[in-house]
Amino acid sequence: KQEVTQIPAALSVPEGENLVLNCSFTDSAIYNLQWFRQDPGKGLTSLLLIQSSQREQTSGRLNASLDKSSGRSTLYIAASQPGDSATYLCAVRGNQFYFGTGTSLTVIP
Amino acid sequence: NAGVTQTPKFRVLKTGQSMTLLCAQDMNHEYMYWYRQDPGMGLRLIHYSVGEGTTAKGEVPDGYNVSRLKKQNFLLGLESAAPSQTSVYFCASSYRKGLAGDTDTQYFGPGTRLTVL
Repeated sequence: KQEVTQIPAALSVPEGENLVLNCSFTDSAIYNLQWFRQDPGKGLTSLLLIQSSQREQTSGRLNASLDKSSGRSTLYIAASQPGDSATYLCAVRGNQFYFGTGTSLTVIP
Repeated sequence: NAGVTQTPKFRVLKTGQSMTLLCAQDMNHEYMYWYRQDPGMGLRLIHYSVGEGTTAKGEVPDGYNVSRLKKQNFLLGLESAAPSQTSVYFCASSYRKGLAGDTDTQYFGPGTRLTVL
C-alpha cells in the first residue's frame, strides 16, 4: 500500500522568506503527484499537478518538483506572504489517490 | 459555474441512523470521488466513480454505499451510522482527458461535517 509522508507537520516562517515543503512516497509507480492547499474549515484547492514524466511545474511563486525514482516531491514557495498561511497537502495517483497528512504553514507578518 | 457542491454542510446523527450525502458538479467531469478526512490520518478514499452508472471501492469502503445515477451527481449513503464514521466528508471530481495535459486535477467541494453520537 502506498504511504505518503509530509515533513514537517507544521512550519512557521517570517513574511518574505522562501520555503520548501516536502512530500515522500513509498511506491514509485505513480501516474502523477498533486499539491493542494486547504484553508481551515474549507475544501482543498489544487495548486500544481506534475505528471510522472515531468520533473517540475511552476505557477507564480510556486514551484513543485518530482523525483519519482527517489519517491520525493518538494513544493517551493518564494517570497512567502501571510495569505499563504494554510495547510498544504500532497497526493499521489497510483491505482487510486493517496494523500499525505499535510504541512500546516504559518507566515508571520 | 458553481463547481462542486455538497449538501448538507453539517449533520448530527445518532448511532444506527441512516443518511445520504449529496455531491453535485457542473463541470461535466467523468470521475467523482468521496473522501473522509480525520485528524492525523489525511484524506482517505471511500468510493469513486469513473462514469455514470459505475462505482468502485476505495481504501475505506466499509459501512458506506454510493450511487451515480446521473453524471453530475454522486451520492454517499450511511445505512447504519457508527461513531467511527464521525468525520469530515469531501467530494471531488476530475476530468480525465486520457492524454498528456491537465489530467486528473481534482476539484473539491467544501465538505460535510458529520458527527455520530
